[in-house]
Amino acid sequence: GEDVEQSLFLSVREGDSSVINCTYTDSSSTYLYWYKQEPGAGLQLLTYIFSNMDMKQDQRLTVLLNKKDKHLSLRIADTQTGDSAIYFCAESMRNNRLAFGKGNQVVVIP
Amino acid sequence: DTGVSQNPRHKITKRGQNVTFRCDPISEHNRLYWYRQTLGQGPEFLTYFQNEAQLEKSRLLSDRFSAERPKGSFSTLEIQRTEQGDSAMYLCASSFGSENEKLFFGSGTQLSVL
Repeated sequence: GEDVEQSLFLSVREGDSSVINCTYTDSSSTYLYWYKQEPGAGLQLLTYIFSNMDMKQDQRLTVLLNKKDKHLSLRIADTQTGDSAIYFCAESMRNNRLAFGKGNQVVVIP
Repeated sequence: DTGVSQNPRHKITKRGQNVTFRCDPISEHNRLYWYRQTLGQGPEFLTYFQNEAQLEKSRLLSDRFSAERPKGSFSTLEIQRTEQGDSAMYLCASSFGSENEKLFFGSGTQLSVL
């Protein structure tokens, strides 16, 4: 299946951490991705994790993968106003195409 | 190379008209994808090229839609006899075709069908 599920909205105060969650369905996915979309723009690749890893840290971003539960999360430390955007998780499918969730709107309050 | 380029950024058309969008991928990327995104949704896969060969088409791609990548570089997506339901953001992405499929997206073409 290609159902990637995400919660819809998160507000966070500047400087706090934000956590976005995602569940996916295809256990054979090799890579899982987080993309960021600002208003009127395309998608920007933020980070990705290989399916045999359970954690990846990249500066302010931490990705956690629970393969047993098919659960992926993205933690943004020290959230800044420029982090306000929609965040999509995506899983790799056959032919290397990606299946995306519906996205999670993050609003950072100054 | 500044990334994936899409033209036009916005297109407004009347129902029944034909429209064509263009995508210029990152130059060394051999894979090119078209996705469609409607308001409040994530991108949905439409079709995929490896070089000039169109290798997969989604069932979302009705027979009114056609995509080409004639020389394995830029691609066009044409929609014939547009319908209001075709209104969406059309996103192009390209990748190098490695095992780690990092897709790089363009800014999209926003289509509004009146």
